[in-house]
Parts: sequence; C-alpha cells; structure tokens
Amino acid sequence: ETGVTQSPTHLIKTRGQQVTLRCSSQSGHNTVSWYQQALGQGPQFIFQYYREEENGRGNFPPRFSGLQFPNYSSELNVNALELDDSALYLCASSLSSAQETQYFGPGTRLLVL
Amino acid sequence: AQSVTQLDSHVSVSEGTPVLLRCNYSSSYSPSLFWYVQHPNKGLQLLLKYTSAATLVKGINGFEAEFKKSETSFHLTKPSAHMSDAAEYFCVVSDRASGYSTLTFGKGTMLLVSP
Repeated sequence: ETGVTQSPTHLIKTRGQQVTLRCSSQSGHNTVSWYQQALGQGPQFIFQYYREEENGRGNFPPRFSGLQFPNYSSELNVNALELDDSALYLCASSLSSAQETQYFGPGTRLLVL
Repeated sequence: AQSVTQLDSHVSVSEGTPVLLRCNYSSSYSPSLFWYVQHPNKGLQLLLKYTSAATLVKGINGFEAEFKKSETSFHLTKPSAHMSDAAEYFCVVSDRASGYSTLTFGKGTMLLVSP
C-alpha cells in the first residue's frame, strides 16, 4: 500500500510568481486536505477536497486554490506569492471527509524570495 | 471552535527517563484527539488517537496518552525515552462542526533527549 506522496520536495520562487504543488493520496482514500506549516508553528488548515469538490476552507485568501482529480490526487495552487507564503505545505489523505484520521505526506518546502 | 494548548514549547529528558508532554484542549462536545510526531525535515506521523473509547490510549513506539475530561487534558507519556524519540510532537483535535473533519494543531513541543 503506497502512502501519501508529494512533489516537489523543495521549491524556490520569487514574490509575485505562481506555484503548483502536487499530492497523491493513499490508496483507497477519496479525501485530501492541505495544511500550511510556517517555521516554528503547527500546521494550519487550508482546504479540503472530497470527490473533486472543495469541501471546506480555512482562513486563507482566494489566491490559494486547489483541484482534485478523478484518481483523488490533488494540486494546491498559490498565485501572487508573498514572502509570508514561505512554509512547509503538507497534504493529508483520509478514507472519507467524515473520517477523522488523516495520513500525511512528507511535505513540500516552499521558499519565496 | 476547538483548540488545543501545548503547555511546553520544549521538554528535555535524559535517555531512559520518563517523558511527559502536556496538552489541554477546548471543545464544545466530545472531541477526538490525536498526537502526531514530526522528525526533522519529515512529514507528520500519527502516534495515537482517542475517539471516545478507552480513556487510556496506547500508540506506537511505547507512547500512550490519557484522556481526562474533568481536566480537559490529553497528556502524552512514555516510560523510558530513547534517543530516536527526539522530535517535535503535536497535540491535535478534530473539528467536525461543519460536517467534515479538519484538524486543529497545537503549536508543538520539541522533545530533546540527551545521552
């Protein structure tokens, strides 16, 4: 059974650019949640996708957007990057949107210069 | 809204001594609680979870946690620390108020283990 995978592992962008991060969910999981972990902080919920629809959203601006594909993999897109977007972005998958146990990928570390 | 407070930002122990990482939660209903561990430059690994069954929950690598409703606490313990336990630990509460589950994390406790 393959766990949650994310790509790329590291990324460097400049302010104002756009970035796309990718996540493959664990086999059999139809729900993907994205979290932002700033340095020295706990992860914060960005949004959740369930069966290709955005299921819920945390306190993040609209320039953070996402997609989920029929195979339940997911993308996180961030437009107009700001310096404060520098963080570890974590993807987690779960069996369903009501399933509380989430399994995390290794994360993508984004640095915005 | 649910929240968790991790009472210590750093905890230092010697190898072979007990570990105690403290967590208090706030919840308007019976919560589901988790502990996750994050080793340097790694993702989050689930240590254990409480979902209203037994109040003493056993997890991986010898860790356990006790849910105490009267104290709104969910402290993580291990009888004997190992060098490989050095990592950051997050206490987490599940929020189901909107009909779907999201996780709210504490700020983390860094566990330092000295030889």
